[in-house]
Amino acid sequence: KAGVTQTPRYLIKTRGQQVTLSCSPISGHRSVSWYQQTPGQGLQFLFEYFSETQRNKGNFPGRFSGRQFSNSRSEMNVSTLELGDSALYLCASGNQETQYFGPGTRLLVL
Amino acid sequence: GENVEQHPSTLSVQEGDSAVIKCTYSDSASNYFPWYKQELGKGPQLIIDIRSNVGEKKDQRIAVTLNKTAKHFSLHITETQPEDSAVYFCAASRSGGGADGLTFGKGTHLIIQP
Repeated sequence: KAGVTQTPRYLIKTRGQQVTLSCSPISGHRSVSWYQQTPGQGLQFLFEYFSETQRNKGNFPGRFSGRQFSNSRSEMNVSTLELGDSALYLCASGNQETQYFGPGTRLLVL
Repeated sequence: GENVEQHPSTLSVQEGDSAVIKCTYSDSASNYFPWYKQELGKGPQLIIDIRSNVGEKKDQRIAVTLNKTAKHFSLHITETQPEDSAVYFCAASRSGGGADGLTFGKGTHLIIQP
């Protein structure tokens, strides 16, 4: 069974731009969560989608948004990028029991 | 909201010895506690998890214990090997499937000395 895939793996943007990251969950998993990982703040929950509906959201500004498609694939978008948005963005695929992480997208904002 | 504290931040052990990492949580409604291992350049990998109706769970050299009364849980790795070197994260949640989000500890950098 294929694991969680995330694209792109690396991304460089400049302040003020926007970015879209993509995640394909494990086949059969309907829950997709997004996390931000930074050296200072660690791993922080952004939001979770299940059957195209956002069920839960972490404490991040409205510049961070996401969506889920009918095939469970998910995208997250960050608008008006700031230097502090530089991080590893992780997607987690969930079944009823637990969550499995993808390799992440490393975003660098210059 | 939930708060998870993890100790120590760095742990160095001799190959073959045991390693113990401890976490405490604040939300008494949390009932799912996974542990993840993250190697350089990779995403976190689930290594073991435990739910609140179980006090201990073991998988080969890895075990996790949970004390719900004291709100703490621990990861035990026996007979450590060089490939155990990585950063380990504990987490807590009210559910396992993702609906409530995972709250993570800050991580423990485990170093296995040859």
